[in-house]
Amino acid sequence: NAGVTQTPKFRILKIGQSMTLQCAQDMNHNYMYWYRQDPGMGLKLIYYSVGAGITDKGEVPNGYNVSRSTTEDFPLRLELAAPSQTSVYFCASGTGVNEQFFGPGTRLTVL
Amino acid sequence: LAKTTQPISMDSYEGQEVNITCSHNNIATNDYITWYQQFPSQGPRFIIQGYKTKVTNEVASLFIPADRKSSTLSLPRVSLSDTAVYYCLVGPAANTGNQFYFGTGTSLTVIP
Repeated sequence: NAGVTQTPKFRILKIGQSMTLQCAQDMNHNYMYWYRQDPGMGLKLIYYSVGAGITDKGEVPNGYNVSRSTTEDFPLRLELAAPSQTSVYFCASGTGVNEQFFGPGTRLTVL
Repeated sequence: LAKTTQPISMDSYEGQEVNITCSHNNIATNDYITWYQQFPSQGPRFIIQGYKTKVTNEVASLFIPADRKSSTLSLPRVSLSDTAVYYCLVGPAANTGNQFYFGTGTSLTVIP
């Protein structure tokens, strides 16, 4: 049981490039989430999903897109990277809102 | 959306009991209170969750007064490995993903 896995661990992008952050969970959780965490700050919800085929915006969705074609996978897409998207990105899954299991994070730098 | 207020930082010596209080004046009837712990360069980890009175597990205790407008996370006899950021969250237990606010948390430093 691997829990929540994220790839890559680190990535450097140039302004305007695109990339997809991968997230997978093997706990059969319906709920999945993407957060970003800027240095010294708390986590901010980007997008979330309550099941396959269902996604919705969180607090800071601009500049990102998600899809949820399977229960296991919840990729996050950055289309035109900007320096303001430099952050650590965490994916999480759970059975309900208040108990979430987090992945190890992806550290993204946009130069 | 019930936001929370916590102290920004706390220091404690090893072996002491640490109490971190969280204010949530706008808590709704169906909201639960949940605490997470986050070590540097890691994702948050669930510690404890409660609705009212007292909850205890192998890691911590959670005290919630009758009016539920605040809660206190109690860590017994802390060690250096308890140095982390602790987040208090308030939200419904199920059905939505949007009503979930982490805030900036409380940075606990345990001193030898």
